[in-house]
Amino acid sequence: AQSVSQHNHHVILSEAASLELGCNYSYGGTVNLFWYVQYPGQHLQLLLKYFSGDPLVKGIKGFEAEFIKSKFSFNLRKPSVQWSDTAEYFCAVGSSASKIIFGSGTRLSIRP
Amino acid sequence: DAGVTQSPTHLIKTRGQQVTLRCSPKSGHDTVSWYQQALGQGPQFIFQYYEEEERQRGNFPDRFSGHQFPNYSSELNVNALLLGDSALYLCASSQSRFEQFFGPGTRLTVL
Repeated sequence: AQSVSQHNHHVILSEAASLELGCNYSYGGTVNLFWYVQYPGQHLQLLLKYFSGDPLVKGIKGFEAEFIKSKFSFNLRKPSVQWSDTAEYFCAVGSSASKIIFGSGTRLSIRP
Repeated sequence: DAGVTQSPTHLIKTRGQQVTLRCSPKSGHDTVSWYQQALGQGPQFIFQYYEEEERQRGNFPDRFSGHQFPNYSSELNVNALLLGDSALYLCASSQSRFEQFFGPGTRLTVL
């Protein structure tokens, strides 16, 4: 069965701390991986995506993610978080020509 | 260039009623997908439309139906509403195989 697991439901960090959000997936076929962010009161926005090639993907706002095929993982990282990074983060797998399967999300709270 | 737009923003219905939600895709996009996002959950795929046909469907009952028009806009219809249908309904558009862009959603409350 196709699925996405996000291990952390709620993460609380202080400003300037480093961030890593875990994501594991189960998916047959060609893997396209995504991280979406939903800021309070705003719609889902794409942070970064992996379709093929370099497994280390850089996205907007200083975020990056690494695709590790052997571990079925696509963890999101940021070296130094800011208060404005407070949001809900969703890992997802799928195809734009088909459905995208989302994880249950990780709520990130940043203490100023 | 307008992004994905959805209407209405909010909607309140009672059990047993029917509802229609609307989506206009981003300019140049030909594929529309619908998702249901319950409170505290990730979005769940309902179905996808391409060339006015339902291309793929998620695990939702037949009470959920849709339509895509020649201008690529789309409607989501839900019949016989249940309390559990209360959620944020998201529309996403894409150009064939490329990434999906999401709209702001329609918040449906069923009383």
